[in-house]
Amino acid sequence: DAGVIQSPRHEVTEMGQEVTLRCKPISGHDYLFWYRQTMMRGLELLIYFNNNVPIDDSGMPEDRFSAKMPNASFSTLKIQPSEPRDSAVYFCASSFRGQGPYEQYFGPGTRLTVT
Amino acid sequence: AQTVTQSQPEMSVQEAETVTLSCTYDTSESDYYLFWYKQPPSRQMILVIRQEAYKQQNATENRFSVNFQKAAKSFSLKISDSQLGDAAMYFCAYRSAKLTGGGNKLTFGTGTQLKVEL
Repeated sequence: DAGVIQSPRHEVTEMGQEVTLRCKPISGHDYLFWYRQTMMRGLELLIYFNNNVPIDDSGMPEDRFSAKMPNASFSTLKIQPSEPRDSAVYFCASSFRGQGPYEQYFGPGTRLTVT
Repeated sequence: AQTVTQSQPEMSVQEAETVTLSCTYDTSESDYYLFWYKQPPSRQMILVIRQEAYKQQNATENRFSVNFQKAAKSFSLKISDSQLGDAAMYFCAYRSAKLTGGGNKLTFGTGTQLKVEL
């Protein structure tokens, strides 16, 4: 049973470039989350979806960030244009409402470096 | 808004010994869930243990157990018979039982780095 899949695992880009991070949730899960981890701010939620619909995007830092979930098995987080302060590890997680505490299962993360 | 506090940035334990990691949280809600996640150097976030606030019994998972004190808003993690593979960053996390109003998100503490020494 495959877990949450994220790609790429590492991304290095120059300031001003567009960056797209990808996520495939666990099959059957109806919630998908995007988190960002930095030394300064720790782990913070950016946005989450339920049944492909964005529910809470209050954590998205600014208009340069956008996220989509065109279907139940795929989501993207896009940064355009990227800035050095966007350097972080970005995690995707998914959960299933039918399971009590609805544990969130995390992907391996994408380490983004913007130079 | 809920907050989660981990006051121990680093902890050390000898192999085979027991260690307790502290976590406190602040909430006005009565129904919620608490979690401990482990993040080894691979950076993968791994769920260690969970606790439902309505359950008085402390959760246990093999060598891992919690001491949940609802009135004190405390949720500590005890690792028994520590192993080298337990070395990692440990995060305490809170989630509301509500599924509306953004209640489904995890709020994390700042983490405790656990070192296991021979």
